Amino acid sequence: NAGVTQTPKFHILKIGQSMTLQCTQDMNHNYMYWYRQDPGMGLKLIYYSVGAGITDKGEVPNGYNVSRSTTEDFPLRLELAAPSQTSVYFCASITPGQGGDTQYFGPGTRLTVL
Amino acid sequence: AQSVTQPDIHITVSEGASLELRCNYSYGATPYLFWYVQSPGQGLQLLLKYFSGDTLVQGIKGFEAEFKRSQSSFNLRKPSVHWSDAAEYFCAVGYGGATNKLIFGTGTLLAVQP
Repeated sequence: NAGVTQTPKFHILKIGQSMTLQCTQDMNHNYMYWYRQDPGMGLKLIYYSVGAGITDKGEVPNGYNVSRSTTEDFPLRLELAAPSQTSVYFCASITPGQGGDTQYFGPGTRLTVL
Repeated sequence: AQSVTQPDIHITVSEGASLELRCNYSYGATPYLFWYVQSPGQGLQLLLKYFSGDTLVQGIKGFEAEFKRSQSSFNLRKPSVHWSDAAEYFCAVGYGGATNKLIFGTGTLLAVQP
C-alpha cells in the first residue's frame, strides 16, 4: 500500500488564482481530513469527510472547498488564493472504530501564494 | 472549548540524556490523547495514543507517555535520547466522538546535541 499520497509536493500560486490539492488513499479508509500547518503552529483542521458524498467544515474552512466523490480521493480546492493561504497542507485518513483511532498522514503539500 | 498547550517551543538535550516533553489539555469529557512526531519535510507519524485503561502508554521508538487526569497532562518521556530523535513533536486531543477530529498543540522542536 502507498498509504496517503498528496500532489503536488510544492507549488507557487499567484494571488487570485485557483488550484486543487490532490489527496488519495489506498487503505479503503472511510474518513479523510485536510489540515493546514503554519510556521510555529500546530495543524488546524480545514475540512473532513466521513464517507463518499459527505463533507463538513473544520476549524478554518474559509477560502476552501472540498468534494468526496469516491472513497479514495479527497481533493481540496482553493478559490481566489490569498497570501494568508501560504501554508503546508496535510491530508489524513482513518477507518474509525469508537473514537481515538489513528490518523495516517500524507507527506504534505507546501503552497506559497505570492 | 477543547485546547492543547505545549509550553516548551524548543528543547535541546544531549544524546543519551533523558527527555520529557510537556502537554496540557482542556477537554470536558474523557480525552483521546495522541503524540505525533514530524521529521523535517515529512508528514506526521503516530508515536503513541491514550484513550482508556492503563495511564502509562508505551509507544514506538522507546517513547512512553503518562496520562494524569488530575493535572490534565499527557507528558511524553524517553529515558535515553538518540540523535535520530531530533524532530518536532505534537500533542493532540481527539474530539467529536466517532468523527475523530484532532486539536493539535503548537509543537515542541527537539534538538539533540552530540
